[in-house]
Amino acid sequence: AQTVTQSQPEMSVQEAETVTLSCTYDTSESDYYLFWYKQPPSRQMILVIRQEAYKQQNATENRFSVNFQKAAKSFSLKISDSQLGDAAMYFCAYRSFQGGSEKLVFGKGTKLTVNP
Amino acid sequence: KAGVTQTPRYLIKTRGQQVTLSCSPISGHRSVSWYQQTPGQGLQFLFEYFSETQRNKGNFPGRFSGRQFSNSRSEMNVSTLELGDSALYLCASSPGLAGSFRYEQYFGPGTRLTVT
Repeated sequence: AQTVTQSQPEMSVQEAETVTLSCTYDTSESDYYLFWYKQPPSRQMILVIRQEAYKQQNATENRFSVNFQKAAKSFSLKISDSQLGDAAMYFCAYRSFQGGSEKLVFGKGTKLTVNP
Repeated sequence: KAGVTQTPRYLIKTRGQQVTLSCSPISGHRSVSWYQQTPGQGLQFLFEYFSETQRNKGNFPGRFSGRQFSNSRSEMNVSTLELGDSALYLCASSPGLAGSFRYEQYFGPGTRLTVT
């Protein structure tokens, strides 16, 4: 079974600085997708960034980028120029599409605090 | 395009009762997945429905069940409620087709269930 581990329960960063959230996963599959989701205090889960496992190039979305190391099964999220609105729980998720069905496996999350 | 909607948003029930939660996916999405979120266990996959059929199921007891209607709306039912069922229940929708599994799941705001 796939597992996702986020080793940092909490992180903090100063506004305008850069922070990196860690995520490792375990799988025997060769084709899969990885996601970072953000859950602000309002509770609506929204997608931050996605990475296809077959792509070598790291995904980037504005201030958000990932460092995807497939061999090491590592998928970290870097937030540049942190803003107060980035404060939230961040979840790393692995998407399996085995046997024609889909399922997301989530890490326990990292609570990010942004200090003004 | 309207997002994923869930009703009700908040619910208080007593041990032993049953509850039904509803989820309306984004128009055109045929896959609906349900997740339970608790502080202790994090986000756990309950089940996924596609075209009125359950395609995948997580490790939850039989008290948790669901169904999907022809318009892709889904309901989740929990019978004989226990205190440990208190959680935020999230549903997510996606196109669900093999060729589209690169796309993320879109989450609803959740239903906060409290069991007393």
